[in-house]
Amino acid sequence: SAVISQKPSRDICQRGTSLTIQCQVDSQVTMMFWYRQQPGQSLTLIATANQGSEATYESGFVIDKFPISRPNLTFSTLTVSNMSPEDSSIYLCSVGRGDSSDTQYFGPGTRLTVL
Amino acid sequence: GENVEQHPSTLSVQEGDSAVIKCTYSDSASNYFPWYKQELGKRPQLIIDIRSNVGEKKDQRIAVTLNKTAKHFSLHITETQPEDSAVYFCAASADSGGYQKVTFGTGTKLQVIP
Repeated sequence: SAVISQKPSRDICQRGTSLTIQCQVDSQVTMMFWYRQQPGQSLTLIATANQGSEATYESGFVIDKFPISRPNLTFSTLTVSNMSPEDSSIYLCSVGRGDSSDTQYFGPGTRLTVL
Repeated sequence: GENVEQHPSTLSVQEGDSAVIKCTYSDSASNYFPWYKQELGKRPQLIIDIRSNVGEKKDQRIAVTLNKTAKHFSLHITETQPEDSAVYFCAASADSGGYQKVTFGTGTKLQVIP
């Protein structure tokens, strides 16, 4: 499976500010995904990032709040904008295996705390 | 959209006993069912998966069964060990306009008591 890294691993931010999370993969992948995992909860898909096209957002998530970039086949960023304490969560990127998006492998996650 | 229900939410077993986690899904178009294990503070790790054309799959102490008609699938762990303690997530995957969208269950916290 691909080696996936995320930066930062954790951060504490003030409300009203923005944080950009980076996801780097050691091989080219077609699909990259961003998830949110609130404390003690399951994983919720925020959006799907396909290189060269606009990200596809799930119900309840909007581009103004969670802008995503996918400049190439090994890298993506997720920005959490105008943060509030409710945005405190773990944010995980995942990648599909090769050209398949069904089997997904996760990055180590970014633990975000908003004060 | 897809809805995946998972039971139980917590499960305690004695070391050496078996553990069973059950999930149901709603979308008959779902065709791929992965299971993930998440240890505290770690990323979810794929432990086993099954596709809709298969009824059962086994990998050492772990097995998964799928009943497409009833839309349910289960994870079976035999001879449990303390290192099996973690949160387990089932998931169902279906095509969503050109990519496979994975919907996760709510998770089962498994505790194996030595």
